[in-house]
Amino acid sequence: DVKVTQSSRYLVKRTGEKVFLECVQDMDHENMFWYRQDPGLGLRLIYFSYDVKMKEKGDIPEGYSVSREKKERFSLILESASTNQTSMYLCASSFLPLSSGNTIYFGEGSWLTVV
Amino acid sequence: DAKTTQPTSMDCAEGRAANLPCNHSTISGNEYVYWYRQIHSQGPQYIIHGLKNNETNEMASLIITEDRKSSTLILPHATLRDTAVYYCIVRGYSGGSNYKLTFGKGTLLTVNP
Repeated sequence: DVKVTQSSRYLVKRTGEKVFLECVQDMDHENMFWYRQDPGLGLRLIYFSYDVKMKEKGDIPEGYSVSREKKERFSLILESASTNQTSMYLCASSFLPLSSGNTIYFGEGSWLTVV
Repeated sequence: DAKTTQPTSMDCAEGRAANLPCNHSTISGNEYVYWYRQIHSQGPQYIIHGLKNNETNEMASLIITEDRKSSTLILPHATLRDTAVYYCIVRGYSGGSNYKLTFGKGTLLTVNP
């Protein structure tokens, strides 16, 4: 079975803190993604990566950065957490190429509260 | 990606088949139909996908009409643990960046004892 593991399920951080969300996949997928999910707004793509050290911005990259030093690991970094970044964060992965038949698999989600 | 239309909610008795419909009348030839579900507080779980032919796996069956304008996800013997929001998504490869999965509002399936 495909496994996408997010390191923390629930976090509470203070405004201004630097926050790291870690994600590991065990399927040798080239693509990895970070989304956030908010009520009424659905899933929004923050960043994605199609290879080690490669990254591309999604729809809402402001206030976030990412790191992909190893193929299986993709980290999301909140440089200075703010209350409007309180959300559920979802990591996902898939194979290349990005043809229609490739499935995107999601992790369990990380609930971040910024106070 | 083509838009999809799903009922807001459905009920199903435990042990019975749950049939979840989805309309995707603007689907184009290279677009697949995907189904995910999301149980409260968890990440979306992949269920099944298909292009033209009906598909079956250990979780569900997917029936796609001949004109591909609609599809039905079938959970053959629903259990209480199948209570979730079910999303029907149409996704195609449009070249360049195709990293977006657009989740609509989905159907809240409630399985009753």
